[in-house]
Parts: sequence; C-alpha cells; structure tokens
Amino acid sequence: QSVLTQPPSASGTPGQRVTISCSGSNSNIGNNAVNWYQQLPGTAPKLLIYTNNQWPSGVPARFSGSKSGTSASLAISGLQSEDEADYYCAAWDDRLNGYVFGTGTKVTVL
Amino acid sequence: EVQLVESGGGLVKPGGSLRLSCVASGLTFRSFSMNWVRRAPGKGLEWVSSISSSGSYIYYADSVKGRFTISRDNAKKSLYLQMSSLRAEDTAVYYCARGIVPAATPPYDYYYMDVWGKGTTVSVSS
Repeated sequence: QSVLTQPPSASGTPGQRVTISCSGSNSNIGNNAVNWYQQLPGTAPKLLIYTNNQWPSGVPARFSGSKSGTSASLAISGLQSEDEADYYCAAWDDRLNGYVFGTGTKVTVL
Repeated sequence: EVQLVESGGGLVKPGGSLRLSCVASGLTFRSFSMNWVRRAPGKGLEWVSSISSSGSYIYYADSVKGRFTISRDNAKKSLYLQMSSLRAEDTAVYYCARGIVPAATPPYDYYYMDVWGKGTTVSVSS
C-alpha cells in the first residue's frame, strides 16, 4: 500500500491540459523533492520530472511539475496521443527509510 | 550510450530462489547508487531495494526485508538481487535503475532514478 496517493485515472482530448495530483506527508513530499515517472505500455519507466520541477534532457516543456507542502502535481499541456501512459510520483521517505512511489495514474487521450 | 541490462528472471516455485543481475555500460558505475524496482501484473511501481555507490548503505522495502539481498560488484559494473523464500506476490517485472542522490546516506532531500533497464520477468508459481 503506497503512502503517496494519486487519482487512478485522468483523461483529456488532444490539446487539452491534464493535471495529476500526488498527496503525501511530512516524511516524504513535505521534506524531500518529488519526482515523476512515465511508463508507456510495455516499456520501462522513464524519468519525466525530477526535484519537483526540473526536466531531464529530451523531456518536452509541456510536462511541468510543482510542489506545495505535502502535495505535488504534474501538468501535461497540449495533450498528445503519445502521452497515454501510467504516471507515478515518487520521493524518499525519511520515516520508512526508503523510496516510495505513488499509486499511479493512467492517462487516457480521448 | 548509458545502458542497464537485467537478466536472471524466470519461473520459480513458491519458496524457491532466484538471482537477478544488472550489467551497466556507458557510465561510471562505481559512482552511483543503484536500485531495484518492480511492477507486478495489474499493480503499480514498487521500490524494492537500494545500495549506495560503495555498497556500504543498503535499504529494503518492508515487503522483501529478510528475503532479498542486494549487492554490487563495481569492478564488474554489476548489480545483483538475490531473492529467496519467493512468494506468488513477488511475481513482477524487475527493473534496475541508477539513483541520483546528494550523499551516500540519508537524509536524501532529493533522490531520483534517471536511467532504467528494460526489466526481467520473475514468475512465482507452482
């Protein structure tokens, strides 16, 4: 059972903006940076956003991350069909002394 | 090109053992923390274990503590996961991933995994 809670699904039409929330606690998001991973069907996870709002090389700027208190969010602007994937937030948890992933959100492009 | 390649997955009976390997290329392996992450069928990503660059600091998820052992051989640029007392719920695709951390030990005010292997499949079934 994950300590980071995400909505199970989100959807939008091409070009729309979709936002995914991630709720945690003081021992994880409240104290440490949040990262986001994208997992396309049948592939390995890919780092999408690191330390709250930074882009790895090659990730388009239409993906953006933010953090406030014990919550974080990922926004996808200009939604595209290739964005259909599972998205996970993650952070180190000081109380568990381990890394924790969110419950995951499946994004569907209608 | 930075690459991680896992191997060692397969079908094993409950209670059995398996050893996963991950070989790195294109990166200074000894400089990085390494991780195992899994995804069970129909479930989300689950962190399994981490090991610091020197191997001195090791962390496990509660779900595998006492049954799995992570290790590394920096000379061989290899990461390992020895799995024993396997259960049906350990069935998953196992990924190795490079970790980026500010120091060898917590607190980790930032911690992310920036390079991932393609995964190896472990099936635990009688």
